[in-house]
Amino acid sequence: QVQLVQSGAEVKKPGSSVTVSCEASGGTFTNYAISWVRQAPGQGLEWMGGIIPIFRTPSYAQKFEGRVTIAADESTNTAYMELSSLRSEDTAVYYCARVGGVVLTAIEYWGQGTLVTVSS
Amino acid sequence: QSALTQPASVSGSPGQSITISCTETSSDVGDYNFVSWYQQRPGKAPKLMIYDVSNRPSGVSNRFSGSKSGNTASLTISGLQAEDEADYYCASYIRSRTSWVFGGGTRLTVL
Repeated sequence: QVQLVQSGAEVKKPGSSVTVSCEASGGTFTNYAISWVRQAPGQGLEWMGGIIPIFRTPSYAQKFEGRVTIAADESTNTAYMELSSLRSEDTAVYYCARVGGVVLTAIEYWGQGTLVTVSS
Repeated sequence: QSALTQPASVSGSPGQSITISCTETSSDVGDYNFVSWYQQRPGKAPKLMIYDVSNRPSGVSNRFSGSKSGNTASLTISGLQAEDEADYYCASYIRSRTSWVFGGGTRLTVL
């Protein structure tokens, strides 16, 4: 069974950057799309971007282009999401997520979420 | 403003059926053949309920079904149970960009 374990909660100052990690276990890491999805308090889900580790080329939602960097380390089965120039509106739970082993068009596995709080 | 529009809320009584719609309001959602639905309970990660418009992952109750007509996809929950009370999100997979777009979400209240 695929498991995604994310790094712990972060508190950041406006203007700084945050990096959230996501370690995958229980399945092949390199061939399946990993996404980062965030959820602001009381708000909906928002896809930020993703990567297929074997291809190494990330794709980003237009809203986050220039501010988010997604990468994957095949040697440690870990994906990373860095968000820069943080502002208060970036306060949210950030999820890493992965498509299924058979279903490649939907997100089947989710991490536990990482709360990022941006506050001065 | 999401490219996928859902009603903010729906409600129903135990045993009834409800339908949540998800309407494509932008061409930026791919060919809309890869619609998925997610259930999210408070404080929990989302759970995949339907993929590729109408397919159920293993372990998901057959009370959940999906369909699509034109530019509107729908999630139907039959035989409503108290445990179905949650937020539901639709999403569309954009194959050409290996990306997803989510709807704004619908809160289901079981009366």
